[in-house]
Amino acid sequence: QVQLVESGGGVVQPGRSVRLSCVASGFTFSDYGIHWVRQAPGKGLEWVAVIWFDGSNKYYSDSVKGRFTISRDDSKNTLYLQMSSLRAEDTAVYYCARDFRGGYYFLDYWGQGTLVTVSS
Amino acid sequence: EIVLTQSPGTLSLSPGERVTLSCRASQSFTSSHLAWYQQRPGQSPRLLIYGASTRATGIPDRFSGSGSGTDFTLTISRLEPEDFAVYYCQQYGTSPYTFGQGTKLEIK
Repeated sequence: QVQLVESGGGVVQPGRSVRLSCVASGFTFSDYGIHWVRQAPGKGLEWVAVIWFDGSNKYYSDSVKGRFTISRDDSKNTLYLQMSSLRAEDTAVYYCARDFRGGYYFLDYWGQGTLVTVSS
Repeated sequence: EIVLTQSPGTLSLSPGERVTLSCRASQSFTSSHLAWYQQRPGQSPRLLIYGASTRATGIPDRFSGSGSGTDFTLTISRLEPEDFAVYYCQQYGTSPYTFGQGTKLEIK
């Protein structure tokens, strides 16, 4: 069965960096685009970034562009989100989610999320 | 960026009732690339509907989606206790792939 497991969250000081990971199993990782979506405490969902199945395209929300970098290592079935220059408003649960196809469709499977808290 | 506006923000209903949720886009996007997700308390979101009207695998037929252009709806024909949750629409026609702010269904 499809599984996505995020890790790397925790408490981080403003201005610092952290890298999230998402390990996938139960499907051919290299065939699918993968997204990051976040949810601030008590708030709605915010789409963050996507990387296409072949890594050829990466797109970001305006709120993270220039600070976050999405990448993948197909040999490890792992997606990453490098988060830099963190701000208090980046505090959220970060979900990875599989794209139905290459990276330009809906999200058909979601992980359980990892919480990032940006605080001094 | 396409802004999705969901209405109403919160609905108080009873099991067995029929409900229609609205999602309106600030501009048209690629042919009905609109999805609906359900998020129960403490859980990750779950895909319900894609392509505006196609139910995802395993989703009961009491859930239905419709719409095109800039106006979309999710209808639950007869509410079950497990349907009380937050519902989000998302467009995946144009990056950034934005979500609506959500509609919360609560038990009356």
